[in-house]
Amino acid sequence: DAKTTQPNSMESNEEEPVHLPCNHSTISGTDYIHWYRQLPSQGPEYVIHGLTSNVNNRMASLAIAEDRKSSTLILHRATLRDAAVYYCILRDVVQGGSEKLVFGKGTKLTVNP
Amino acid sequence: DTGVSQDPRHKITKRGQNVTFRCDPISEHNRLYWYRQTLGQGPEFLTYFQNEAQLEKSRLLSDRFSAERPKGSFSTLEIQRTEQGDSAMYLCASSQHTSLETQYFGPGTRLLVL
Repeated sequence: DAKTTQPNSMESNEEEPVHLPCNHSTISGTDYIHWYRQLPSQGPEYVIHGLTSNVNNRMASLAIAEDRKSSTLILHRATLRDAAVYYCILRDVVQGGSEKLVFGKGTKLTVNP
Repeated sequence: DTGVSQDPRHKITKRGQNVTFRCDPISEHNRLYWYRQTLGQGPEFLTYFQNEAQLEKSRLLSDRFSAERPKGSFSTLEIQRTEQGDSAMYLCASSQHTSLETQYFGPGTRLLVL
């Protein structure tokens, strides 16, 4: 499985934007970039995913570098409820490939009031 | 609440005992996954089912671990002869039938082996 690299931790202030980086220099052409987050004492939850183009949804935006070797999850206005561990995960779309999610250690985001 | 439920939420057992966890996925989801998460680490894949068929198992799933999904609905994960190293959060997730579908996770079962 292609590997991702994320900072161990980041801090933000409430109502400010947060940019969470992820490096995936060995990404293959069929890998989608997924982000999940895990709030304290909960299971992970899906945030967003993309392949080549930038993506937006109600939770966040995903900016993907042109060479696809890195991406950034953007929370436009952090709230205290966004404090969580954020995981950047590559998923291969090739049929017959593994279905599993491969989690790293993720980035622990602290949001200060 | 994602719609995936797990029971029990917490389990304390003594080393050598057997434990069984249950996962009820979202009803229309035919894929079900088990993951294990230890403190400070991301979840690690254990196994997954498509309907009642177990299609992939991790090397982490030693012969003391067995998972079933007998009618393609709920699933159980049993650990026999528990060891202290089995202490972890056991997470269940489900997804619809197509690849790359979002996995919806339950709240997990936290196991402590004394």
